[in-house]
Amino acid sequence: AQSVTQPDIHITVSEGASLELRCNYSYGATPYLFWYVQSPGQGLQLLLKYFSGDTLVQGIKGFEAEFKRSQSSFNLRKPSVHWSDAAEYFCAVDGDTGFQKLVFGTGTRLLVSP
Amino acid sequence: DGGITQSPKYLFRKEGQNVTLSCEQNLNHDAMYWYRQDPGQGLRLIYYSQIVNDFQKGDIAEGYSVSREKKESFPLTVTSAQKNPTAFYLCASGDIESEAFFGQGTRLTVV
Repeated sequence: AQSVTQPDIHITVSEGASLELRCNYSYGATPYLFWYVQSPGQGLQLLLKYFSGDTLVQGIKGFEAEFKRSQSSFNLRKPSVHWSDAAEYFCAVDGDTGFQKLVFGTGTRLLVSP
Repeated sequence: DGGITQSPKYLFRKEGQNVTLSCEQNLNHDAMYWYRQDPGQGLRLIYYSQIVNDFQKGDIAEGYSVSREKKESFPLTVTSAQKNPTAFYLCASGDIESEAFFGQGTRLTVV
């Protein structure tokens, strides 16, 4: 069965500092990979996705992620964090159908300090 | 605007009562999904439907039921058999090899 691990429950970053959120997945082949962001009490917004091709993926709001097959990882990065980036971030994998039957990690809550 | 609409935003259920959460999409997507979100557990799939008049159980379907009579609509009923229904429920839609689009969620509380 597929699984997604986000090892960091909370991360605090100073505004302007760089950010990396970790995501590891378990799946036999190359899955479809996603990062979503959620503000409190809201739905999820897609930041970026990886289906195939270039392993460095650019997303919205200045985020990027790199797919590393050898490490089964899909870490999310941002070079300079803004206070508005404070939210919960979810990594997700879809390896079954391509129809978005997603398996989510437990999320990482990002706090941004002044 | 195209999107997914969930209603109501907040819902209160008494013990032993069935309640239905609405999800409508105008994105012309074939597939629709219901997820449950609990603190510290991420999102878990309840039911999904890839085509009208067809749906499959997800990982935590017990105590829930769905229907897919129209492409645009995928209502979720939380039955009295669901022993711990208090949660945040998210509906999503998508097409093959594209991302899922999420609604704004319904927060269900048992009173």
